[in-house]
Amino acid sequence: SQQGEEDPQALSIQEGENATMNCSYKTSINNLQWYRQNSGRGLVHLILIRSNEREKHSGRLRVTLDTSKKSSSLLITASRAADTASYFCATDALMEYGNKLVFGAGTILRVKS
Amino acid sequence: DSGVTQTPKHLITATGQRVTLRCSPRSGDLSVYWYQQSLDQGLQFLIQYYNGEERAKGNILERFSAQQFPDLHSELNLSSLELGDSALYFCASSVDGRRGSTQYFGPGTRLTVL
Repeated sequence: SQQGEEDPQALSIQEGENATMNCSYKTSINNLQWYRQNSGRGLVHLILIRSNEREKHSGRLRVTLDTSKKSSSLLITASRAADTASYFCATDALMEYGNKLVFGAGTILRVKS
Repeated sequence: DSGVTQTPKHLITATGQRVTLRCSPRSGDLSVYWYQQSLDQGLQFLIQYYNGEERAKGNILERFSAQQFPDLHSELNLSSLELGDSALYFCASSVDGRRGSTQYFGPGTRLTVL
């Protein structure tokens, strides 16, 4: 089963509006990452927030992390049509000798111009 | 452009066939990961290599195998293909394969099994 669950599953907004996506996870984490995927293409790394951080900014992106609630949110401010994509949160799971990313189901964001 | 390259971009083949997907990590990255993305399963981890050695294995089918070569490129071999193997296969690389290191993804190989 997937570690992270995004909410909402789909979001449609007008250009210039803010978009907020939420992610919940089940186990304790070392860090949480957000990725963007344009239609059927590769995943682009957006931001990584560590478990001891509460908020992080990168350009128009703002990520918050609440480890007590096991949740994170991604805010995209002043959205643009080019932000239309799927957004995934991913947690970093430790394995015996390695590690893996565990992804949520993703939020499909559509920004209308 | 993440710096991770994957070939081919698209692959169409028939059930029962065998295919090889190729990945070149970012310059300087020692660890390679393979993921599968399908409509019903989402993004799933398959396998991790670090400097030529297998480090972690996910729910990778026995029909699938992978390796990382001395020049650090990796190949994912899929055999006895079934319709359900149709998916996007991603390769990712990280500098040291450690938890917390950013994984950079390639553009993916779209496999269609007819």
